[in-house]
Amino acid sequence: NAGVTQTPKFQVLKTGQSMTLQCAQDMNHNSMYWYRQDPGMGLRLIYYSASEGTTDKGEVPNGYNVSRLNKREFSLRLESAAPSQTSVYFCASSEEKGGNSPLHFGNGTRLTVT
Amino acid sequence: AQSVTQLDSQVPVFEEAPVELRCNYSSSVSVYLFWYVQYPNQGLQLLLKYLSGSTLVKGINGFEAEFNKSQTSFHLRKPSVHISDTAEYFCAVSDNSNYQLIWGAGTKLIIKP
Repeated sequence: NAGVTQTPKFQVLKTGQSMTLQCAQDMNHNSMYWYRQDPGMGLRLIYYSASEGTTDKGEVPNGYNVSRLNKREFSLRLESAAPSQTSVYFCASSEEKGGNSPLHFGNGTRLTVT
Repeated sequence: AQSVTQLDSQVPVFEEAPVELRCNYSSSVSVYLFWYVQYPNQGLQLLLKYLSGSTLVKGINGFEAEFNKSQTSFHLRKPSVHISDTAEYFCAVSDNSNYQLIWGAGTKLIIKP
């Protein structure tokens, strides 16, 4: 049982380049999330998808776009990378959108933008 | 707006000693409370949660936490730590009208041999 799988694990981009972070879950969860983690700041929500076919902005959506491709997959796209987007990105999923539903996380993508 | 404060960014403790990691939140409504653990180079995983009922919650790996509504706290404790507990620990809160979690900044638990 793989849980939440993220690719790639590491990526280095130059300013202005684009890339897509992939995420897939095999737990039949309805809700999926993208977070970024920066030292001393905890996790900040970028975008989420409460259910298949819907996406909504989180706390820090600027510079990112998402696609909920199907129930399993939720991708995050950086159209024009900036150094401020250097971070560790985590995808997560939960059974439901509700605040009492625990999150299951992938192992993260470490992105460096030079 | 809700906020979560983890009072210590790092907690060094000797192996087999007890530890308490502190978490305070600001909210006047009913909340759900979580502790997650992040081992080096991994994602976060749920350690324990408080949804309702008994204020003392037991989690994995011998950890427990106590919900104190009057002090708006949810401190994490373990009576005897092991080297394998070396990790970063995150407290998170959501109120029962909002699906989003508010995260603390994390506390690194450093186990000294």
